[in-house]
Amino acid sequence: QSVLTQPPSASGTPGQRVTISCSGSSSNIGGNSVTWYQQLPGTAPKLLIYINNERPSGVPDRISGSKSGTSASLAISGLQSEDEADYYCAAWDDSLNGPVFGGGTKLTV
Amino acid sequence: EVQLVESGGGLIKPGGSLRLSCAASGFTFSSYNMNWVRQAPGKGLEWVSSITSPVAYTYYGDSFKGRFTISRDNAKNSLYLQMNSLRAEDTAVYYCARSISPASFDYWGQGTLVTVSS
Repeated sequence: QSVLTQPPSASGTPGQRVTISCSGSSSNIGGNSVTWYQQLPGTAPKLLIYINNERPSGVPDRISGSKSGTSASLAISGLQSEDEADYYCAAWDDSLNGPVFGGGTKLTV
Repeated sequence: EVQLVESGGGLIKPGGSLRLSCAASGFTFSSYNMNWVRQAPGKGLEWVSSITSPVAYTYYGDSFKGRFTISRDNAKNSLYLQMNSLRAEDTAVYYCARSISPASFDYWGQGTLVTVSS
């Protein structure tokens, strides 16, 4: 059972906009910034979003993050086949004194 | 180019020990906190341990306290994870990752597979 809650799956067609939710509590998302990772099949995770909505260089601006209260969302617009991957949210947890992850959402395009 | 290369994984019997290594290059290793994150087959990501720099403060997930030990050698640009009393449920790919903030890891290695089985 993951500390952060994500839907196990999401889907969309090419060109569509999809959102993936991440729910936590006051000890993690409520008081700390959220990070999102993308994991393509058979590869290591890749940093997608940090500090709630910041994109590392190389991540396209059709990918965005937001946070409100104890929940966060990842939005991908202009969906492409190469977006098909697993997506994980993460945040520092003040009670556990370490980072916690969501269970992951498998995005099908 | 930043590179993290893990090694040391393999097949080990329950109760055994294993030491993982992560060789870092392409950045000033001593300037970054480092982490181990694992992923069991078909499962999600799980934080294992973190170590700060230059003072090596260490932090562990509850499942790993007393069994795993994280360490680093800044002179050798290397990160380590000593794993003792291994259990079947420790079977996973173990990744080393560089921190840019407490839960944000900007570079990851390719991972090393640890299989605990008799």
